[in-house]
Amino acid sequence: GAVVSQHPSWVICKSGTSVKIECRSLDFQATTMFWYRQFPKQSLMLMATSNEGSKATYEQGVEKDKFLINHASLTLSTLTVTSAHPEDSSFYICSGGRYGGTEAFFGQGTRLTVV
Amino acid sequence: DAKTTQPPSMDCAEGRAANLPCNHSTISGNEYVYWYRQIHSQGPQYIIHGLKNNETNEMASLIITEDRKSSTLILPHATLRDTAVYYCIVSPLKTSYDKVIFGPGTSLSVIP
Repeated sequence: GAVVSQHPSWVICKSGTSVKIECRSLDFQATTMFWYRQFPKQSLMLMATSNEGSKATYEQGVEKDKFLINHASLTLSTLTVTSAHPEDSSFYICSGGRYGGTEAFFGQGTRLTVV
Repeated sequence: DAKTTQPPSMDCAEGRAANLPCNHSTISGNEYVYWYRQIHSQGPQYIIHGLKNNETNEMASLIITEDRKSSTLILPHATLRDTAVYYCIVSPLKTSYDKVIFGPGTSLSVIP
């Protein structure tokens, strides 16, 4: 299957700072990627759709000014959590798929802890 | 996308077949059944999908009832590494541009 890589795998940051998470498609080009958030013992919740060369589309209730998404190339999408607070601590996961493919491929996830 | 119902948790003995059920009584004719799984602290992994015929790959088998209102994912010889949350998702055939919406899934514990 296709490979999606996230970096970092985990990060600890201080409250009020910003954190950037990278999501790369290693062996395919992704015009569309997706960002999810997962709290402990809960399912994945879709946050936004990242579109290469255009603005991201956010799900209802997700603050676009807090979760900045940039998809400047066909192999890289980034999620920046701005002015992070402890309630933003979560597991963030990205996904993408090959053109013409029928299944999604997910990154390994990034564990964010805000202290 | 049609709604699915899965048991919240299941146990399976190591080496035995794990049979994970999924009900999707409102499935439409153009909707497929997809299965993904998520091992703890990892991203989800695609397992298999099907429309109406049974499907098999190197990971699992998917059995879909004739009326398509339910399905079963079968892991033929469960190992400890199969302990994960399994998600059954019903939707039109996905493309790389389509989002995946996850429900609560079934937490499978493979017991030694």
